[in-house]
Amino acid sequence: GIQVEQSPPDLILQEGANSTLRCNFSDSVNNLQWFHQNPWGQLINLFYIPSGTKQNGRLSATTVATERYSLLYISSSQTTDSGVYFCAVDPRNRDDKIIFGKGTRLHILP
Amino acid sequence: DVKVTQSSRYLVKRTGEKVFLECVQDMDHENMFWYRQDPGLGLRLIYFSYDVKMKEKGDIPEGYSVSREKKERFSLILESASTNQTSMYLCASSLPRRDTQYFGPGTRLTVL
Repeated sequence: GIQVEQSPPDLILQEGANSTLRCNFSDSVNNLQWFHQNPWGQLINLFYIPSGTKQNGRLSATTVATERYSLLYISSSQTTDSGVYFCAVDPRNRDDKIIFGKGTRLHILP
Repeated sequence: DVKVTQSSRYLVKRTGEKVFLECVQDMDHENMFWYRQDPGLGLRLIYFSYDVKMKEKGDIPEGYSVSREKKERFSLILESASTNQTSMYLCASSLPRRDTQYFGPGTRLTVL
């Protein structure tokens, strides 16, 4: 089946720094989503981005479907950005059943 | 706003007990999902339902069953809990045709 790999697995940054998180996938997909899981476990959808670029405040995401990767950019990091970031893909043969990567754990230091 | 609620935030059960985890969504979503999350493994799909009384196995269905008698409610059942089912369980819902998924707060289950 499709493989979803996220890098780096862990990232520690000072408040105010910028970061780039990467998601690679091994086969064609119908869509890709980025989620943030806060320290209390709640998962929040950040972007639904099968291709192209989207921006929401300090966060933006770019998916290059032909090259099978997506990037999540976080600018001017805040301590509330801490948590785990997951990408999830919807493979073409799985009809709504998405597959998650193992996540990038981000820790923003004050 | 979409709201997905789960019956318990924390649950402690004994080996062999029957365990019910309940999930309710208020947005009339057709699709509902149960995942488990374990350190280093990310989220793995246990079961999926795309309509009332309809269900499909996910990637790790062994040891679990589900019930969907009403559109808004999706239950995960552990017929005989085992220690290797200690995990965080997350429920999600979505519209069909590849819409974004909305997650509940999770239930952290410990089986002793």
